[in-house]
Amino acid sequence: DAKTTQPNSMESNEEEPVHLPCNHSTISGTDYIHWYRQLPSQGPEYVIHGLTSNVNNRMASLAIAEDRKSSTLILHRATLRDAAVYYCILRSNTNAGKSTFGDGTTLTVKP
Amino acid sequence: EAGVAQSPRYKIIEKRQSVAFWCNPISGHATLYWYQQILGQGPKLLIQFQNNGVVDDSQLPKDRFSAERLKGVDSTLKIQPAKLEDSAVYLCASSSGTGAYNSPLHFGNGTRLTVT
Repeated sequence: DAKTTQPNSMESNEEEPVHLPCNHSTISGTDYIHWYRQLPSQGPEYVIHGLTSNVNNRMASLAIAEDRKSSTLILHRATLRDAAVYYCILRSNTNAGKSTFGDGTTLTVKP
Repeated sequence: EAGVAQSPRYKIIEKRQSVAFWCNPISGHATLYWYQQILGQGPKLLIQFQNNGVVDDSQLPKDRFSAERLKGVDSTLKIQPAKLEDSAVYLCASSSGTGAYNSPLHFGNGTRLTVT
């Protein structure tokens, strides 16, 4: 299954936009790009997913590169509650959707 | 909708003892996953069920870990005997997809296991 690469950590100021990058250079045509976040002592929470086009929902936006080898999760205005570990994974219609989680990006939001 | 339910929330056992975790997925979700998350790392898939059949258990240490999903609904994960390195959070997740794996994963809050 294809793997993803993310920076170990990032910092942001409160109320500023945050761009969290993810590289997935071995992505295949059937892989969907998913983002999850995990707050302390909780299970991961679904944030957003997409295939080729950019996606928006109430939590965030997902920008997908034209060659699909990278993507960026955009939090438009970071709040203290957005401090979490963010995971980018690939889910495919092949291989029964098997997904590999990396160690994610720890986002720190400064007041 | 009700989320994925897991119990117990915490468990402390001594090495060589046995332990079991329970998971009730979101109603109607055909696919159920058990993950192991060691402190500071991302979740690692142990086993994936679709309905009551195993889809992938390639990373399940079968000499000590077992899992079942009777009737295709709730599931139990058992460790027997436990080792110190099994100390981790055990997460259960479910998804609605059976043929389409673009559907989101929904996680429970996990069971934190400490083996002493």
